[in-house]
Amino acid sequence: DIVMTQSPDSLAVSLGERATINCKSSQSVLYSSNNKNYLAWYQQKPGQPPKLLIYWASTRESGVPDRFSGSGSGTDFTLTISSLQAEDVAVYYCQQYYSTPALTFGGGTRVEIK
Amino acid sequence: QVQLVQSGAEVKKPGASVKVSCKASGYSFTSYTIHWVRQAPGQRPEWMGWINVGDGNAKYLQKFQDRVTITRDTSASTAYMELSSLTSEDTAVYYCARNSFGVVTYFDCWGQGTLVTVSS
Repeated sequence: DIVMTQSPDSLAVSLGERATINCKSSQSVLYSSNNKNYLAWYQQKPGQPPKLLIYWASTRESGVPDRFSGSGSGTDFTLTISSLQAEDVAVYYCQQYYSTPALTFGGGTRVEIK
Repeated sequence: QVQLVQSGAEVKKPGASVKVSCKASGYSFTSYTIHWVRQAPGQRPEWMGWINVGDGNAKYLQKFQDRVTITRDTSASTAYMELSSLTSEDTAVYYCARNSFGVVTYFDCWGQGTLVTVSS
């Protein structure tokens, strides 16, 4: 199975400042035939299911604010919140869908307000 | 709007089975695959398996292969996940999720979750 490792485990950011979350896969999730990275990002608030933010590593889901962006390729990926808002306090997970049917998630990064 | 509504919380004894339902609305039920993901307290989500709602064919993560069964009732727009031989390690919130693109990729709609507690 592909192991997804996120860093940091948690971070505290001031309102309006940038938050950066990293995700590393144990093997490449870039499919050479279509040049797509098989990686998604989710946001999970307490007591709620995960919410899809980003897929194909950098495509924002409909309705997701443009302060959320995804980047990276191969084995190293980043989710950036350009200007942190109070409602962004949550745990963020990356998920690979390259190795099917064994989909795997990262360990999560908790984002808090400093 | 697209919605997945799951059955309520369950408390089971070790060795028992649990069956969780997931009722879909707001879209063509047979046009998307449904997946099951569980999340133990404070842990990362763990994918369990999926069903092709159109033909009923299901596939499972190897660690659950002998204990999980995913089915669907197209007339009721409902998917089911049954897990047997429960132990305390199966205590978790169980989610159904709709696959957004293709058959096994990422999930654009999730059920609200069903807490399954296994305790003697």
